[in-house]
Amino acid sequence: DAGITQSPRHKVTETGTPVTLRCHQTENHRYMYWYRQDPGHGLRLIHYSYGVKDTDKGEVSDGYSVSRSKTEDFLLTLESATSSQTSVYFCAISNTGATYEQYFGPGTRLTVT
Amino acid sequence: AQTVTQSQPEMSVQEAETVTLSCTYDTSENNYYLFWYKQPPSRQMILVIRQEAYKQQNATENRFSVNFQKAAKSFSLKISDSQLGDTAMYFCALVSGTYKYIFGTGTRLKVLA
Repeated sequence: DAGITQSPRHKVTETGTPVTLRCHQTENHRYMYWYRQDPGHGLRLIHYSYGVKDTDKGEVSDGYSVSRSKTEDFLLTLESATSSQTSVYFCAISNTGATYEQYFGPGTRLTVT
Repeated sequence: AQTVTQSQPEMSVQEAETVTLSCTYDTSENNYYLFWYKQPPSRQMILVIRQEAYKQQNATENRFSVNFQKAAKSFSLKISDSQLGDTAMYFCALVSGTYKYIFGTGTRLKVLA
């Protein structure tokens, strides 16, 4: 299994509070991604990174920010959590090369009350 | 814009039988990759099979095979000799040179004993 960890694995927070989710990889892969998974929507891309300090928006980026100061860490921040951000969040990695395969972390279940 | 469509929200199959999951996609790229991922109740995303668009031969991985119809932009997954452990959510995904992956909304497969 690819070395990808996410922390925390579960979190309950209140509306209006800031939340940061962490993704850590030991594979030295160039690309890192944050997705959210909701019933009926599959996985939707929030933000992704193509290198240290290089990030770009996905299709559902409003209300989220990211940072990548090191190759191995990719942080997702909800500046002021809302109930609509209750979801399961997945981090993923991939690398340049022939296969384009993407590997996923275990997911974080976030509940905003 | 690239899209991936899975039109079967739920399917069921008897143990040891064969089932086919449908996926259609749209892209203007010539070079791209298609994937099927499995998500069992554990929530972990597992890569099942990969297909390079430039390869005419359909990919096969043990009991899993695909029917890749490039002109029709169709990428179906066939599971032979279905097992109880195949019960899961299955996602079809597309990626091209931008390294931004697009996922379908998923098909929930239940294998019946």
